[in-house]
Amino acid sequence: QSVLTQPPSVSGAPGQRVTISCTGSSSNIGAGYDVHWYQQLPGTAPKLLIYGNSNRPSGVPDRFSGSKSGTSASLAITGLQAEDEADYYCQSYDSSLSAHYVFGTGTKVTVL
Amino acid sequence: EVQLVQSGAEVKKPGESLKISCKGSGYSFTSYWIGWVRQMPGKGLEWMGIIYPGDSDTRYSPSFQGQVTISADKSISTAYLQWSSLKASDTAMYYCARRKGSGWDYFDYWGQGTLVTVSS
Repeated sequence: QSVLTQPPSVSGAPGQRVTISCTGSSSNIGAGYDVHWYQQLPGTAPKLLIYGNSNRPSGVPDRFSGSKSGTSASLAITGLQAEDEADYYCQSYDSSLSAHYVFGTGTKVTVL
Repeated sequence: EVQLVQSGAEVKKPGESLKISCKGSGYSFTSYWIGWVRQMPGKGLEWMGIIYPGDSDTRYSPSFQGQVTISADKSISTAYLQWSSLKASDTAMYYCARRKGSGWDYFDYWGQGTLVTVSS
């Protein structure tokens, strides 16, 4: 059972800006652990999109940005493109006995 | 180039055993943790466990403790995920992923996935 909550879906027209929230608790995001984001295109393995709350690996377009505040984090996609249609997952570390690495529930981004 | 190459798709019957693999290359296999992640059909990602091939230190998610065994053979740079008695509910895609080193807690490289189908 995921301990990081994301909206099931978000959508936007090409060129628009969309944001995806990731809500945790005092044992993960609120405890100061970093939030990371992964993009999973249909039929493929997840790919690292954002690490350490707001850092982009080499090759990731600057249309993708991340932020974190309190017990939540957000991923923003500006200038939405058709190729951004995918599932997005946040991930953090949890210090409770129940889990170590935790993923969000996942958000499907649809480009209208 | 860092690569994680997983073994091929498997079709098994309930009660059978299975061991799938994840071979690392392009980096020092013994210096990075390797995690396993389950994705059931149409569902999200679930962290199962993680192993440090250097000394085989292994941690499990409580949800998977006792249900699977994670191991590694550093001599051939390969990590494993195994079941002693499969259930239909084990049907899923399984990914291995390398945890970034130097104190980071994210997974920077992923295998292509191994689809496990358990059906009578």
